[in-house]
Amino acid sequence: KNQVEQSPQSLIILEGKNCTLQCNYTVSPFSNLRWYKQDTGRGPVSLTIMTFSENTKSNGRYTATLDADTKQSSLHITASQLSDSASYICVVSGGSGGSYIPTFGRGTSLIVHP
Amino acid sequence: DTEVTQTPKHLVMGMTNKKSLKCEQHMGHRAMYWYKQKAKKPPELMFVYSYEKLSINESVPSRFSPECPNSSLLNLHLHALQPEDSALYLCASSLGLAGRYNEQFFGPGTRLTVL
Repeated sequence: KNQVEQSPQSLIILEGKNCTLQCNYTVSPFSNLRWYKQDTGRGPVSLTIMTFSENTKSNGRYTATLDADTKQSSLHITASQLSDSASYICVVSGGSGGSYIPTFGRGTSLIVHP
Repeated sequence: DTEVTQTPKHLVMGMTNKKSLKCEQHMGHRAMYWYKQKAKKPPELMFVYSYEKLSINESVPSRFSPECPNSSLLNLHLHALQPEDSALYLCASSLGLAGRYNEQFFGPGTRLTVL
């Protein structure tokens, strides 16, 4: 069964600090992995998308890495800001038999304190 | 235009009401999705449309009825809902279904409350 596990479940950091969120998946064959930011009560917003051949992708203060061999990804946030407080969701597409339905992780809830 | 829009933003309805949620995109995407999201949970897939045809129905109760009138519009018709159907309903679209083309763009959601 395709699964996406994220850790930690929640994280509290001080403004200006860096943090790293983790995503492990069992989706196979692998197509792509995406990180989304979701503010409470709003739709998810895409941060990065990576395919098999890409092992790092940056979007401003967000840097995602992918190790397709170990089926792990991380999202690093640099110099955090109060507006980074949100849920960060890892989504993996792929699967057997040509399945393309993305599998969602449960998300990491990040709180940035002043 | 690079966004997915959803109306209404908020909806309160009784269990005997009939209402509809609307979703629109003008990015030329040919796949559109409905998701249901409860608080502190990831979105759960409900329906997938590809080229205006229903491609996937994730065993959703018949009180939810999707409709795709054209490639830019997606509706979700609601009838005889239950209080447990209260949730954030998200619409998403993507260029296609396979590979990199299934990068999904989400709308802001409709917050539905069933009394």
